[in-house]
Amino acid sequence: KQEVTQIPAALSVPEGENLVLNCSFTDSAIYNLQWFRQDPGKGLTSLLLIQSSQREQTSGRLNASLDKSSGRSTLYIAASQPGDSATYLCAVLSQAGTALIFGKGTTLSVSS
Amino acid sequence: GAVVSQHPSRVICKSGTSVKIECRSLDFQATTMFWYRQFPKQSLMLMATSNEGSKATYEQGVEKDKFLINHASLTLSTLTVTSAHPEDSSFYICSANRDRGDYGYTFGSGTRLTVV
Repeated sequence: KQEVTQIPAALSVPEGENLVLNCSFTDSAIYNLQWFRQDPGKGLTSLLLIQSSQREQTSGRLNASLDKSSGRSTLYIAASQPGDSATYLCAVLSQAGTALIFGKGTTLSVSS
Repeated sequence: GAVVSQHPSRVICKSGTSVKIECRSLDFQATTMFWYRQFPKQSLMLMATSNEGSKATYEQGVEKDKFLINHASLTLSTLTVTSAHPEDSSFYICSANRDRGDYGYTFGSGTRLTVV
């Protein structure tokens, strides 16, 4: 059964710092991996989608990497801003599955 | 794009009543939709997979008679919480994708259910 773990659970940084969020998964037979952002009491906003054949994806200040063989993904946020404060969720679609399996998320707080 | 609309965003109901939550794919057809539940500061837990024209597939531990799912068209799935109790209070969120995963999954804005 696929399990997804995110570390750290919470992170506080001053504005301008570069930071890395980590995601690991137990079954490397994945179809793709998706990073989401969730603001309090809101739905999910998709940030980046990485197919199993890809190693990284970039969107603006965000860069996500995927190492399928080791079961790891990282989300790199450059030059963090207070508006980046939110919970970031990693989700995996397994080869044999149809639904995303989520980690518990990393709650990020960026102070000005 | 791929837009998923979910209504209502918030609902308060009395214990013992039923509540229906709608999930619509606005610009694509979705033969499969997914319903998740999220407790405070917890991850999203998959409740069931909604299949157009057939019965939903429920995850282990989810009462299918409690959480009724209907997927009557390619753009609409509904989740009905029957005989709601305070322990059913939670954040419910639906998801759909245009294909198996090439375009990623899109989520609704969620429904905050409070049972009093």
